[in-house]
Amino acid sequence: GAVVSQHPSWVICKSGTSVKIECRSLDFQATTMFWYRQFPKQSLMLMATSNEGSKATYEQGVEKDKFLINHASLTLSTLTVTSAHPEDSSFYICSAREVFGSGRANTGELFFGEGSRLTVL
Amino acid sequence: GENVEQHPSTLSVQEGDSAVIKCTYSDSASNYFPWYKQELGKRPQLIIDIRSNVGEKKDQRIAVTLNKTAKHFSLHITETQPEDSAVYFCAASNPPRGYNKLIFGAGTRLAVHP
Repeated sequence: GAVVSQHPSWVICKSGTSVKIECRSLDFQATTMFWYRQFPKQSLMLMATSNEGSKATYEQGVEKDKFLINHASLTLSTLTVTSAHPEDSSFYICSAREVFGSGRANTGELFFGEGSRLTVL
Repeated sequence: GENVEQHPSTLSVQEGDSAVIKCTYSDSASNYFPWYKQELGKRPQLIIDIRSNVGEKKDQRIAVTLNKTAKHFSLHITETQPEDSAVYFCAASNPPRGYNKLIFGAGTRLAVHP
């Protein structure tokens, strides 16, 4: 099956600093990647949709200037949490779908990364 | 936009019993409904999915049913085992629109007691 790798798996930072999380599709090309945030014992909340070569689309209530998303290639999307604060501490998970034209692209299946646990002190 | 509701939030069963989790969705255009199992601190794992042209799908002890008219779908786990204990999420999306924006339900914490 398709593999999505996320790095780092966990990170601790000081309040006010920025943290970058990478999401890579290892064996397929991803036109679209999605970033989710999950607080303890809660569901996965979609933060934004990133498309290769264009600006990300953010969900309502998500600050685009705080959560910077870059999808510079078909295999890499990055999420940067800028000026992190303790309330940003969460589990961030990316997911990806394959490019159109491949066998899997329109099946609907998404492939998830391992997740990144961010703790802001 | 799409809204997915999931019930119950917690479910406790004895080993060998069946477990049923139900979800409803709001967007009638949604046509892809996956179910994920998530263990603590790990990524969601797809366990089964169903598309709108199918009413029921089964994979060993797991089955999913879909009622498009009522806009609800359910997960059925038979002969539950302790290793089935996890949080289960339903989701809905509409892939042909160019995205596969999955909207998740709130989750069901399933506990299977030996």
